[in-house]
Amino acid sequence: EVQLVESGGVVVQPGGSLRLTCAASGFTFDDYTMHWVRQAPGKGLEWVSLITWDGGGTYYADSVKGRFTFSRDNRKNSVYLQMNSLTTEDTAFYYCAKGGGGYELDYWGQGTLVTVSS
Amino acid sequence: QSALTQPASVSGSPGQSITISCTGTSSDVGGYNYVSWYQQHPGKAPKLLIYEVTNRPSGVSNRFSGSKSANTASLTISGLQAEDEADYYCSSYTSSSTRVFGGGTKVTVL
Repeated sequence: EVQLVESGGVVVQPGGSLRLTCAASGFTFDDYTMHWVRQAPGKGLEWVSLITWDGGGTYYADSVKGRFTFSRDNRKNSVYLQMNSLTTEDTAFYYCAKGGGGYELDYWGQGTLVTVSS
Repeated sequence: QSALTQPASVSGSPGQSITISCTGTSSDVGGYNYVSWYQQHPGKAPKLLIYEVTNRPSGVSNRFSGSKSANTASLTISGLQAEDEADYYCSSYTSSSTRVFGGGTKVTVL
């Protein structure tokens, strides 16, 4: 059974930094692209970033480019989202998702809440 | 990276069919057969319903079907049931190798 478990969500002040972790199990981790998707409370889904199976390629939404860094450790079956220069607009549930065989996101974690507030 | 356009809400009676549209551009929806659809119940994580425009993952009811014409993709729910009341999101691969979501559609079963 595929499982994705996010952690690291907390309350942080504007301008601060935070690292989210997603631990994966139940599939051959280093065969798949991984994604982060966020959802502000009461709002829609916003794609944030993806990382290729080997970590050699990363892509970002314009809203986070230059501030967020997506990385992975295939030995630990984990991905990480380093978030810097946080603003109140980054307040959201952050979901980790597994890339499917094509371009879809076929499994999702339960999310971790990041609140940026003074 | 503008969001894909979906209607804010769609409603129908039990047993009816409804269709949700998802409009993008030639750089996303219209340029690739990589549109996917997700269902999200309140307080829950999204769930994949349709991938590559028309394909259903194992375990997803055949009451859900997808299609595409030019820059607009569509999700049809047939035989609407109370459990289908949820938010639905489309997503597409883009020419920048990123992904983009629609704004979401709230489905209400009357």
